[in-house]
Amino acid sequence: GDSVTQTEGQVTVSESKSLIINCTYSATSIAYPNLFWYVRYPGEGLQLLLKVITAGQKGSSRGFEATYNKETTSFHLQKASVQESDSAVYYCALSGSNTGYQNFYFGKGTSLTVIP
Amino acid sequence: GALVYQYPRRTICKSGTSMRMECQAVGFQATSVAWYRQSPQKTFELIALSTVNSAIKYEQNFTQEKFPISHPNLSFSSMTVLNAYLEDRGLYLCGARDRGNSDYTFGSGTRLLVI
Repeated sequence: GDSVTQTEGQVTVSESKSLIINCTYSATSIAYPNLFWYVRYPGEGLQLLLKVITAGQKGSSRGFEATYNKETTSFHLQKASVQESDSAVYYCALSGSNTGYQNFYFGKGTSLTVIP
Repeated sequence: GALVYQYPRRTICKSGTSMRMECQAVGFQATSVAWYRQSPQKTFELIALSTVNSAIKYEQNFTQEKFPISHPNLSFSSMTVLNAYLEDRGLYLCGARDRGNSDYTFGSGTRLLVI
């Protein structure tokens, strides 16, 4: 089926250290999957962080970047130097057309805590 | 810009009663609306996808009889949780998109507590 698997649970990183949150996807019924990272800050709704719709391309936003790798079906989120304000829950997501519907699937979310 | 409002933000209902939640799109046409539920310790599960002029598509484990959805125009959708029980508690998220846009805009969610 179509699904997203990402680093689960909580991740704690010290400020100014690097971060990677793993994400892999399965798109068995979606011909051209689009990949997304969403972020949810405490008390707020989901916000789009970045998206990539073409395999091989890299998306970036607010210092975060992710590369759409079709060979490894991965879309890992990375940041070279995290800040305390990056503490939030991050969701990897997959979208694409299937039988005429534009489906959208989320990973389970990764809670990032950045400690000063 | 494109915004999606959901209300109420949080609600409590007694076990066995029903609760209706609403989703309002502002700044774009909500051709498709997707409803999700995030149960405690779980991800956002897709409940159903509603596209104007098409039948509402429910995912496995979710039914119209339990989660009836209305999508009467291009700016509004509602979903009711009928006969709510403890397992229905969680955050219900609405996402909407325009026909020509693959990106969904999400609301802040309605948090349902069942007592």
